[in-house]
Formats: sequence, C-alpha cells, structure tokens
Amino acid sequence: GAVVSQHPSRVICKSGTSVKIECRSLDFQATTMFWYRQFPKKSLMLMATSNEGSKATYEQGVEKDKFLINHASLTLSTLTVTSAHPEDSSFYICSAREASGRGVGTQYFGPGTRLLVL
Amino acid sequence: LAKTTQPISMDSYEGQEVNITCSHNNIATNDYITWYQQFPSQGPRFIIQGYKTKVTNEVASLFIPADRKSSTLSLPRVSLSDTAVYYCLVGSNTGGFKTIFGAGTRLFVKA
Repeated sequence: GAVVSQHPSRVICKSGTSVKIECRSLDFQATTMFWYRQFPKKSLMLMATSNEGSKATYEQGVEKDKFLINHASLTLSTLTVTSAHPEDSSFYICSAREASGRGVGTQYFGPGTRLLVL
Repeated sequence: LAKTTQPISMDSYEGQEVNITCSHNNIATNDYITWYQQFPSQGPRFIIQGYKTKVTNEVASLFIPADRKSSTLSLPRVSLSDTAVYYCLVGSNTGGFKTIFGAGTRLFVKA
C-alpha cells in the first residue's frame, strides 16, 4: 500500500515555542492532505484539510493562526503549532488522499507525531 | 456527511472469525465504505474499501448489502495481534471530501 511518513515521531518542547511537523506521501501524489489530533482513548478529530497550492480549510473551533498548515507540493504538507502550550500536547496524525492511480481517492495515514509541551 | 454507528467494543478469542457491523443509513450514492485499524500510538491503517456487494483481500472481507445502509467487516481467524480499534468511514473519494471518524469499535482478542 501507499506510504505516508511523519517527522518527527515525537517532540518535547517548552511552552511558548513553535513546533513544525512534516507529512510526506512517499510513493504517491496527494492533492489533498488532512491533519487530525487524537487524545488518549479517543477517536481522531479532524483539524483541517489542505489542498496543494491553496489555503487550508479549518474545522470549527480550530485556530488557524495557531495551527499553521502549508501544502506546498503534491507530496508534502506541514503543520506548525505556534506558541505551543501544555494543552496542545496530543497525538497529531496526518493523512494523504491518493490523487491518481489504482488507489485513487483512498486515504492513507501517517504514523503520528506525539507532541508534549512542558 | 454520512454518520456511522458501530458497537463500542467486542471481545473474541484467538482463531475465531470476527464480524463488525457498521450502520450508515444516510450513505450517499457516491460514497464508499472504508475500514481502518488503529493500534495505540499509531496512525490508522487501511484495511479494506468497498462500494457494494463483497470485497475480499488478504486480511479481511467486506460485505455490503444491496441497500448499502450497513456494512460488515469480517476478520477470519483473529489472533492476539488483531486487538485494536476498528473504524468504519463513509464518504466520497473525490477531491477534498473530508473524512470524519466515529468512535470506532475496540476489539479485544483473548488467548
């Protein structure tokens, strides 16, 4: 199947700093990528949808100035958590939707990034 | 967005077949049904996807009745390593259609 990578896999930072998380589709092109966050024993919560070359669409309640999303190419999207606070500590997961080929439209997920803000 | 309803949890024993049913009464004509598996601290893993009737791959089967208002994921001969949360998602595969996760089904396989 198609592979999506995330970097870093885990990060610990001080309160007030910014953290960037990268999401890459390794063997397919993705015109659409999604960012989720997940709290322990809870389901994934969609934060935003990003389309290559255009602004991201944020879900209600998600601050776009705090969670900056950039989708500069068909294989890379980044999520920057600006001025992180302890309540931003969570498991962040990206996914990419295959743009073409046999698996067109299927959504594949990255391994996730564990963020801990002290 | 088609809402999905799944059992919150299920228990099984090694070697048994497990069937997890998902209800999606408001499924639209263009919607596909996709199942994912998630282990703790990992991203969801694609299991199987279908539109109608039956789909089978190396790990599971997906049964979809004619009215498509429900679907059943069938896991043959489960093992301890199949203990995970299973999510049923319904939606279009086109464009920026966003995927909303329900609560999922927590499957616990016992020895």
